[in-house]
This record gives sequence, C-alpha cells and structure tokens, in this order.
Amino acid sequence: NAGVTQTPKFRVLKTGQSMTLLCAQDMNHEYMYWYRQDPGMGLRLIHYSVGEGTTAKGEVPDGYNVSRLKKQNFLLGLESAAPSQTSVYFCASSYQGVSRAFFGQGTRLTVV
Amino acid sequence: RKEVEQDPGPFNVPEGATVAFNCTYSNSASQSFFWYRQDCRKEPKLLMSVYSSGNEDGRFTAQLNRASQYISLLIRDSKLSDSATYLCVGPGAGSYQLTFGKGTKLSVIP
Repeated sequence: NAGVTQTPKFRVLKTGQSMTLLCAQDMNHEYMYWYRQDPGMGLRLIHYSVGEGTTAKGEVPDGYNVSRLKKQNFLLGLESAAPSQTSVYFCASSYQGVSRAFFGQGTRLTVV
Repeated sequence: RKEVEQDPGPFNVPEGATVAFNCTYSNSASQSFFWYRQDCRKEPKLLMSVYSSGNEDGRFTAQLNRASQYISLLIRDSKLSDSATYLCVGPGAGSYQLTFGKGTKLSVIP
C-alpha cells in the first residue's frame, strides 16, 4: 500500500549541478503535481500533469522541467541548481484535478 | 489576490478548548474544498472534505458558506495531538489543480 513515493528523501547539491526527483504512484491516478514548500510561503505549484505524456506550468515553473512518460511516474528536473531552489519538494497525485490529493513524504533539497 | 487565504496564526489554546479556523476563497464557482493537516517536517494529509451541507467527523466540523465565500474548521475538546498546521484547500484558477492556503498553525497547550 505504497501510495505516492518520492526519491530521494534528502539531497545536497552544489550550485550549478543538476538532479532529477522521482515521484511514483500506484493508485492509477491521472493527475500528478510537484509543489515546493518554503517557510511562510505555503505550498506552491511548480508543474503538473493531467495524464501520461502531458505537462503544464504551475505557479513557479522557472528553473524546473518535468516529464510524464509513464502514467505512474512524474519526474522533476533541475538543470542548473541555484540556492533559491533550496526547499522541500512534495509530489502529489489525484484521481481528478479537484479531487483529494495524496502526497509523497517530501524531498529536502539544499543547494549550497 | 490568492485564490485561498487563511490566518497563519499561531493559535495557542489550552487542552479541552474549542478552536475555529476560517478560510476565504475567491473562485465563486469552486465546488471542492478540503482541510489538510500537516505535522512538522511531514507531508500534508487529508483531514476532511468540506461538503455544502457541512459535515462532522468526531471532534471536527467543517462548514461551507457560499454567500460569504469561506470555509471553516471547528475543533472541539482540543487534544495535545491536534497541534499541527491546518491547510485550507480549494480549486485554483484553472480546472486542473488545487490551491493550498498558507496554513494556520495550532498549538494545544497542556
């Protein structure tokens, strides 16, 4: 009964390095989302997907790219990490766009 | 104006107290609302959905006021374990995503 799984859970990057965060869900959900959460800012939507092969920009997409090649996976990429991308990243999935969302455990990323 | 807004708190209440949170929303066509709970350094988890007629789950009551465009969460007989941040959630500008409020922090004090 995994639900939504994110890897890795922690990561430290140097400025300019790249990395990919993986989100996997086993609930056959169409919709998947990537959020970042910073103190005092709440959850902000980075990118989302309404189905396999689709992606769309959210509220704060700059500096990130995403891919949804398989329905169960949603990847978030940072091509050239910056200290401003230090944050906690949450992946979520839902059956429909406005139905309840299930969250992964989060990835704590620090860019130095 | 953000689609969903809530008082950040913190709310510091003694055990056994009743506490209420309100959350305003801007999208008058919104149909789906939720309250999530987030513990420190953990992921948000669904506390309860909010239905038009209001709904109750044990010590928790959620209500929707469409005329004034707000939803509320009432917690009765507060427990120490209720200490957390409560996130109000409603539809965003588009049809494909939910918008989260910034959260209201609750601390229940012995």
